[in-house]
Amino acid sequence: QKEVEQDPGPLSVPEGAIVSLNCTYSNSAFQYFMWYRQYSRKGPELLMYTYSSGNKEDGRFTAQVDKSSKYISLFIRDSQPSDSATYLCAMRGNAGKSTFGDGTTLTVKP
Amino acid sequence: DAGVTQSPTHLIKTRGQQVTLRCSPISGHKSVSWYQQVLGQGPQFIFQYYEKEERGRGNFPDRFSARQFPNYSSELNVNALLLGDSALYLCASSLWTDTEAFFGQGTRLTVV
Repeated sequence: QKEVEQDPGPLSVPEGAIVSLNCTYSNSAFQYFMWYRQYSRKGPELLMYTYSSGNKEDGRFTAQVDKSSKYISLFIRDSQPSDSATYLCAMRGNAGKSTFGDGTTLTVKP
Repeated sequence: DAGVTQSPTHLIKTRGQQVTLRCSPISGHKSVSWYQQVLGQGPQFIFQYYEKEERGRGNFPDRFSARQFPNYSSELNVNALLLGDSALYLCASSLWTDTEAFFGQGTRLTVV
C-alpha cells in the first residue's frame, strides 16, 4: 500500500464550479503538506504549503489538513479553464524528502 | 528572478549508455533534490543534497548518483541505462533541507 493515496480522477467540471481534490496518507510523521499543479510535460508548480492541521487560503485556493483523519484536501473556487491541469498532493516529515500522490487530472470546461 | 533551470530539456539515449543531467537552483537556495516522474505517476524521490553533502537517498539502484557543487548547482548521473529509466527527471530547489521546494521544468529522458 502506498504511503499517499490520491483520488485518481479524471475530474471534469463546468467553469465556475467548486472543485475538491483529496489525498489520504498513512505515515504519522508527515508534518508538511503541499499541493502542486502540473501542466502537461512541465514541472510541478507549488500552489499551497501548509504545516500541521487547519485551513490555509490563497485567493481561489483553500488547503485543508486533518491530521487526526490523515486526510488533506484542496478546494478551488470559481474554477477556470486555465485551472485544467494535474494536481499533485505531497507531504513530508522534518527531512527534505517529499512523498507524492499520483495526481488527479482536472478539466474545467468553458 | 530566475527559477530552477535544468538542462538539457530533452534527451534520447541508448540502453547501456550513461547520462548526466544538470540543475541550477534558485539564487540563494542551498538545497537541491532530484525526483523521477514516470508517466501517470507522481514524482519519486532520488536524492537530496545540501551544502555539497548527501542528505537523503531514495530507493534507487547504485546506477544513480549525484553531486552538488560549491555554487549549489547539481548533477544527476545515471549509468547503464535501462528502458525503465525513461522518465521526466525533476530538480527541486529549496532554501534549506526543510523548507518548501520549487521545481524546474524537468529533463525528459527517453531510453531506446
